[in-house]
Parts: sequence; structure tokens; C-alpha cells
Amino acid sequence: EAGVAQSPRYKIIEKRQSVAFWCNPISGHATLYWYQQILGQGPKLLIQFQNNGVVDDSQLPKDRFSAERLKGVDSTLKIQPAKLEDSAVYLCASSFLAEGTDTQYFGPGTRLTVL
Amino acid sequence: TQLLEQSPQFLSIQEGENLTVYCNSSSVFSSLQWYRQEPGEGPVLLVTVVTGGEVKKLKRLTFQFGDARKDSSLHITAAQPGDTGLYLCAGASYISNFGNEKLTFGTGTRLTIIP
Repeated sequence: EAGVAQSPRYKIIEKRQSVAFWCNPISGHATLYWYQQILGQGPKLLIQFQNNGVVDDSQLPKDRFSAERLKGVDSTLKIQPAKLEDSAVYLCASSFLAEGTDTQYFGPGTRLTVL
Repeated sequence: TQLLEQSPQFLSIQEGENLTVYCNSSSVFSSLQWYRQEPGEGPVLLVTVVTGGEVKKLKRLTFQFGDARKDSSLHITAAQPGDTGLYLCAGASYISNFGNEKLTFGTGTRLTIIP
């Protein structure tokens, strides 16, 4: 079974530039998550989708971050414009359900460096 | 905002020693998961505990969920170099009006086992 795919793996941009990340979840998984993991910290949930609907985006900085999951499969996360403090690893995860006992499968992440 | 504090933040011990990592919160969670993360990869689920007071064993790893479902511990017996990694606890809580749950990750414990 193929895992969660993410691209690119690494991205370096200057502040005020825009960047987009792509995620392909495990086939059949209805729930998709985007997390931000700053170096030395645990992942922070940015947005959670159930199929193509948003169920939680309470910690998404909506003035600069946006995400979509068209057709309930792939997802993109965009930052526009980027700030220095956005430097982090952006992790995508998927799960079959959205229950606390369900397993979230994580992709390898995209490491973003903002200069 | 729910917070999960892990201690210690860093731990470096000799191969063969025992260790315990703690995960504490003032919030009650419906379940709690433990993940391990290797450099350049996403977290991988180790175990899920659901019932207050529950104890689960996974080979040399013992996980316990506090009676009040606010805290948890991970105990490793006879640590091996392969146990090296970032250990993350994550508490599940309901997202109101949707019936879904989301995870709040802890601050992480970076464990290094010295051969």
C-alpha cells in the first residue's frame, strides 16, 4: 500500500514570496490533515478535511495560509506572503476515519526555509 | 487551547538503561496516542490508549494512560540504539458539531541511546 506522498521535499524562498505544497493521501482515506512542525517542537494542526469539507481550521493563519482539497483526494497548502517564522516542516497526514483511536499516516513532510 | 507538556525535553542515556517519558495536560482527552519520529520522516504511531488507567505493552515499551485521562507515560526497558528518536504524545478531543476528533501533539522528547 502506497503511503502519503508530499512534494516538494525541500523549498527555500525569500520572505514575502509565495509557496505551495502538495499532498496525495492514502487511497480511500476520507480525512486529511496539514500540520506545521517547527524545529524542536511537536506538530501543530493547521487544517483538517473530511472528504472535501473543512472540519477544523482554528489554528490556520487565514490572512496568509490557505488550503483546499478539491474532489476529496489531493490537497494543496499555500502560503502567501511567507514570513520568516513560517520556516518549518509541513506534514500531511491521512486517516480512514476522524476518530481519536484511528491511525494517522504521515508523509515525509516538506521542509520550508524562509530567508 | 489544550497543551500537552512532555518531560524531559531531551534525554541521553546508555544502552541497557531504563527510562520514562511523561506527557501531562490539564485537559481530559478521549484517547491518547504515542508516536515516534525519525529525522526527515513523519511520525509513526506506536500505540493508542483509550481507557483511564489502561496499560499497554509493546515489547520493551510500556504505555500508561492516567486514571483521569489527562496524562500518560512511556517506559522503555533496556533501551537500545534503535530506540533513538523523537517521541510524541498526542491527545484526541472532539471537534464540536462535527463528531470528528482532532489530535493535539505534545512538545516532544528527543531520546538518544548511546551504544
